[in-house]
Formats: sequence, C-alpha cells, structure tokens
Amino acid sequence: QKEVEQNSGPLSVPEGAIASLNCTYSDRVSQSFFWYRQYSGKSPELIMSIYSNGDKEDGRFTAQLNKASQYVSLLIRDSQPSDSATYLCATAAHPGGTSYGKLTFGQGTILTVHP
Amino acid sequence: EPEVTQTPSHQVTQMGQEVILRCVPISNHLYFYWYRQILGQKVEFLVSFYNNEISEKSEIFDDQFSVERPDGSNFTLKIRSTKLEDSAMYFCASAGRGQFFGPGTRLTVL
Repeated sequence: QKEVEQNSGPLSVPEGAIASLNCTYSDRVSQSFFWYRQYSGKSPELIMSIYSNGDKEDGRFTAQLNKASQYVSLLIRDSQPSDSATYLCATAAHPGGTSYGKLTFGQGTILTVHP
Repeated sequence: EPEVTQTPSHQVTQMGQEVILRCVPISNHLYFYWYRQILGQKVEFLVSFYNNEISEKSEIFDDQFSVERPDGSNFTLKIRSTKLEDSAMYFCASAGRGQFFGPGTRLTVL
C-alpha cells in the first residue's frame, strides 16, 4: 500500500521560531511532492511543490527532498500565529509521463504557533 | 487570481437519494479531480479526468459515482444512491503547476 506518513502532532512553537515538519513516503515511483496548508473547516491550500532532491525556498518556507531516504520536509521560518493550521504532505506519481497524477496525502501535522 | 469554485457549500440529503456536486475549475486547466475528506481523516483521491474521460479512479469510486463535464466550464460529481458513509467534504481540484482545490462541498447523508 502506498503510504505517506506524518507525525500528527500537535507541534507547538513560539512565534518567531522555526517550525520543522516531516514526511516520509513508501512509493518509490513518487516524483512530485507537495505541501498543503489546511485551516480548520477549509480546503487544502498549496504552499510548496518540490520535484528534485535538495532544498527549495519560497519566502519563509523551505521544502527539502531526499528521494534516497524517501523523506520530505517543510521548514517555516519566523513562524506567525497565522501559520497555525494542519500541514498536509502529498505525493504524486507521473502516469504516462505527465505531472498530473493523483495526490496521495498524509494525515497531516497540526502546527500551533503561540505568541 | 483564478480560483476553483464549488456549489453547493453544504448539501443535506436522505440516504438513497442522488446528489450532484458541481465545480468550476480554473479556466485554462485541463486536468480535474475529485477528492473527499471524511471528518478527522486523510484527504482521499476519488477520480481524475482529462480530455473528457476518466484517467484514473480509486477503489472508492464505484458504480455509484460518476463524473461529467457537461459544458466547457462545469465539472460534476454524481452519487446515485447516497449512503451514510458518503458523508464527507468533497473537494474539486484542477491542475496547472500543482493541484488547486476548491472550497469544498460538505455532504451530509441522513
């Protein structure tokens, strides 16, 4: 079974700190990796995508991918109370060479940033 | 900024009734998806749709489910005979550089 695993948390960090969220996946055909943020009662919001090994930075967010270890992480610098949400890790394979395969989600990590 | 829209935001139905959930994907996207999320659980893939046909479906997407793109803008999910366990949030998504989700329809089956 293709699984995406995340620590459900809650992860609690003080305002201004770095929040580190981790994800492992079991399906080696996964080629695309995504981080979504989901506020309570809302839909997932795409915040980062990463396709190659290494780091990718976008503002306060850095995604890290290690395909050999089947590991993806998200760092949030200068965490703000508004970052408090559930963070979902998702993977996708590339059927037929496309990059639009179904997403397989982890259960999410609840992040709380306290003032 | 273009968004995926969904209607209705909340649908209440009786067990055994048919429901149609509607979505308007982002206009220049070609790939469309339905996902669902039962309360407190993971987001689960149901079906993907490209070029007017299903490209992939999950085990959840059985004969009770169907999808359609009846015109150039709408994308629908039909559940023919709803069950109690169909109660969930249903999300439509469309893909450009990544998949973008609509706000969801909360389906409650009584």
